[in-house]
Amino acid sequence: NFMLIQPHSVSESPGKSVTISCTRSSGSIASNFVQWYQQRPGSAPTTVIYEDDERPSGVPDRFAGSIDTSSNSASLTISGLKTEDEAEYYCQSSDASTPWVFGGGTKLTVL
Amino acid sequence: QVQLVHSGAEVKKPGASVKVSCKASGYTFTSYALHWVRQAPGQRPEWMGWINVGTGNTKYSQTLQDRVTFTRDTSANTAYMELSSLRSEDTAVYFCARRAMTADYFDYWGQGTLVTVSS
Repeated sequence: NFMLIQPHSVSESPGKSVTISCTRSSGSIASNFVQWYQQRPGSAPTTVIYEDDERPSGVPDRFAGSIDTSSNSASLTISGLKTEDEAEYYCQSSDASTPWVFGGGTKLTVL
Repeated sequence: QVQLVHSGAEVKKPGASVKVSCKASGYTFTSYALHWVRQAPGQRPEWMGWINVGTGNTKYSQTLQDRVTFTRDTSANTAYMELSSLRSEDTAVYFCARRAMTADYFDYWGQGTLVTVSS
């Protein structure tokens, strides 16, 4: 089994950009797609990135995903930050034995 | 529009069972797989498994496979998750989530059902 490791929290000012990392503990980050979910307090998660860098319809292009094999990590970058982006963000990926693994979550504060 | 609507909150005693429903609308129920994900207070989501709504085939997470059962009623467009031998660690919000048609991610989520296990 593997884990996905995220920073506990990040913060940035409105209008700026922020990047949230997600490091895979074992196995290659490129071996399975990475998804990113946004969860506001008291609500269900919603998908903001799937298949590493794809955006579902309705998700603004301020949200971008990428992977970096050299650091074995995925990243979610949010540009032009808005106060409404304040939420918990989870990465998620898979392997053959564990179909859906979630990272520990990163709390984004927009201040 | 696509909606997944859960049954209401439940309070159960340790050792009991709980059955949570997820009623789908706005799409062809049997054309999409439904997954179940739970989230304990302040914790990351935990994948529980999924059901092929068309065939009824299921796959469960290894940690829960002995206690969880997914079913569906296609005439009612409703999926069910039953968890038995409840313990305090099962206190969580239980979500159903629809797998997207052409990619392996969840495109719609239900609002969740809070299950509290307490003596």
